[in-house]
Amino acid sequence: GAGVSQSPSNKVTEKGKDVELRCDPISGHTALYWYRQSLGQGLEFLIYFQGNSAPDKSGLPSDRFSAERTGGSVSTLTIQRTQQEDSAVYLCASSRDSGSSYNEQFFGPGTRLTVL
Amino acid sequence: GESVGLHLPTLSVQEGDNSIINCAYSNSASDYFIWYKQESGKGPQFIIDIRSNMDKRQGQRVTVLLNKTVKHLSLQIAATQPGDSAVYFCAENTMGSNYKLTFGKGTLLTVNP
Repeated sequence: GAGVSQSPSNKVTEKGKDVELRCDPISGHTALYWYRQSLGQGLEFLIYFQGNSAPDKSGLPSDRFSAERTGGSVSTLTIQRTQQEDSAVYLCASSRDSGSSYNEQFFGPGTRLTVL
Repeated sequence: GESVGLHLPTLSVQEGDNSIINCAYSNSASDYFIWYKQESGKGPQFIIDIRSNMDKRQGQRVTVLLNKTVKHLSLQIAATQPGDSAVYFCAENTMGSNYKLTFGKGTLLTVNP
């Protein structure tokens, strides 16, 4: 079946512009995650959505970052007034309902964001 | 703060050799560990996992070892192939958090033909 898809695959923007990154999770997965991966670094947790519950936004680095998930499926990560330090690969993952135990997260290919 | 880290940032091996990638963790509350493989331009891909009540788990050509005494995790790849070239991350899940993963920085494995 189809995996997690993300768009665009690459985004180049100018400092100060807003960007929107899209994630389509695996059908039927109720949990969705956003991570940021800077060059040569591990993944940094940004935000987590689970069903209709309030999202865990504890990883968002500043109020310029926001995310929403419409209809429990597609998610959009928005970065306002982009800065050069926002340049990174933004990864989305989805999993079945976490429930009481960890469920495997399936990752998309990421969006490489470059802020000039 | 507590974190997951790696001993070696890069590892170069000859095709057919065995590879060992190491990871240190410091959160004693972590009870579940995962190894991911990330090829260039792709997202991380699950390789193998292990729970804290085990010290060894084997998959196809891969073995994960967990030493809770010294908080050390390793990934062994048997008969390494060029297709194994990638960045390998360890990640930990802390007891009580059923979704949050803490990732290490990764080790770049290069397999020479």
